[in-house]
Amino acid sequence: QVQLVQSGAEVKKPGASVKVSCKASGYTFTSYYMHWVRQAPGQGLEWMGIIDPSGGSTSYAQKFQGRVIMTRDTSTATVYMEVSSLRSEDTAVYYCARGGMAVAGLPDYWGQGTLVTVSS
Amino acid sequence: QSALTQPASVSGSPGQSITISCTGTSSDVGGYNYVSWYQQYPGKAPKLMIYDVSNRPSGVSNRFSGSKSGNTASLTISGLQAEDEADYYCSSYTRRSTLGVVFGGGTKLTVL
Repeated sequence: QVQLVQSGAEVKKPGASVKVSCKASGYTFTSYYMHWVRQAPGQGLEWMGIIDPSGGSTSYAQKFQGRVIMTRDTSTATVYMEVSSLRSEDTAVYYCARGGMAVAGLPDYWGQGTLVTVSS
Repeated sequence: QSALTQPASVSGSPGQSITISCTGTSSDVGGYNYVSWYQQYPGKAPKLMIYDVSNRPSGVSNRFSGSKSGNTASLTISGLQAEDEADYYCSSYTRRSTLGVVFGGGTKLTVL
């Protein structure tokens, strides 16, 4: 069965960076895109970007361009998302979610989420 | 401000049917048959309920159905049950600014 297991909660100070991991299993890792989505406390879902685990190409939401980097390690079937220059508004649960076999495929399976708290 | 517009809340009694709308533009909902709906309980990850406008993943009750007309997609839940009380989000592929995904603001469903 498809499983996405994310790294644990993080507490960071403003201006720092955070790197969240998402380990995939139960399917061919390089055949499906991976999305990252975040959800601030009490708020809705916000799409951050997508990575093609096969070639490593990425596409980021305009809001996050220049501050987010998505990478992958095919040897461990793991994708990573790093957010830099953190501010309090970045406090949120960050989810990885498997996409389709084409870039237009929307999320189907989701990770359990990683809470990132930004506080001085 | 979300890219897709959903009502903030809807409610219904057990056994009734409700419909949640999701309005976008010709650059997203109206332009592609890539619309999904997610159910989310508090403190939990979203769960896919409908994909490609009207398809149900294996294991999802047939009480859930999806449709689309023009720039508006809809999720209908028939035979409401207490367990259906949750937040529901729509999403769509988009080419508005950059290629990607947009979500609706979410709808809180209350089963009375």
